[in-house]
Amino acid sequence: GNSVTQMEGPVTLSEEAFLTINCTYTATGYPSLFWYVQYPGEGLQLLLKATKADDKGSNKGFEATYRKETTSFHLEKGSVQVSDSAVYFCALSAPSYDKVIFGPGTSLSVIP
Amino acid sequence: NAGVTQTPKFRILKIGQSMTLQCTQDMNHNYMYWYRQDPGMGLKLIYYSVGAGITDKGEVPNGYNVSRSTTEDFPLRLELAAPSQTSVYFCATKRWGNVYEQYFGPGTRLTVT
Repeated sequence: GNSVTQMEGPVTLSEEAFLTINCTYTATGYPSLFWYVQYPGEGLQLLLKATKADDKGSNKGFEATYRKETTSFHLEKGSVQVSDSAVYFCALSAPSYDKVIFGPGTSLSVIP
Repeated sequence: NAGVTQTPKFRILKIGQSMTLQCTQDMNHNYMYWYRQDPGMGLKLIYYSVGAGITDKGEVPNGYNVSRSTTEDFPLRLELAAPSQTSVYFCATKRWGNVYEQYFGPGTRLTVT
């Protein structure tokens, strides 16, 4: 079946630190992979996506590469800011499958 | 272009009361979803729809009902509210095709006391 596993946190980093949030998946076929971000009190919004193997999604300094050989889509940012404090969700959408599968979310707090 | 709108933003219900959470989209997306998010937790799918007239259960459908008479609207009905239904409810939409992302509404924060 389809599933997403991600590190659950919470993660606390100092400003300008390097961020990695691990995400691995199991899927039939060739899924698309997504990272969503949820700021406090808001709904989820797309951060970045990749729709085929070796694609790199990027946005706002965040990057993730679709690695089919390791079934991973790890989120990285070189220098986090306080404004990056949020919950990050890894998700997949598989062909011919109507539901989107979400990981449990990783809470990130960035302290000055 | 409003995207996905949800009403109300907040609501307090007494045990046993009923209510309808409204979700409307203006993006002409086929797919619509209802999720609940308990404090500090992830998303749980309640119901979803792949088009007008078609709905299906998610992982936590008990205590809820939905209908999809138009492409734009996907209301969620709570019958006989219980404290366990205290949560934040999000509606989301998506185009057909697995390469497309979901678009989320701002949420409805519901408290049942």
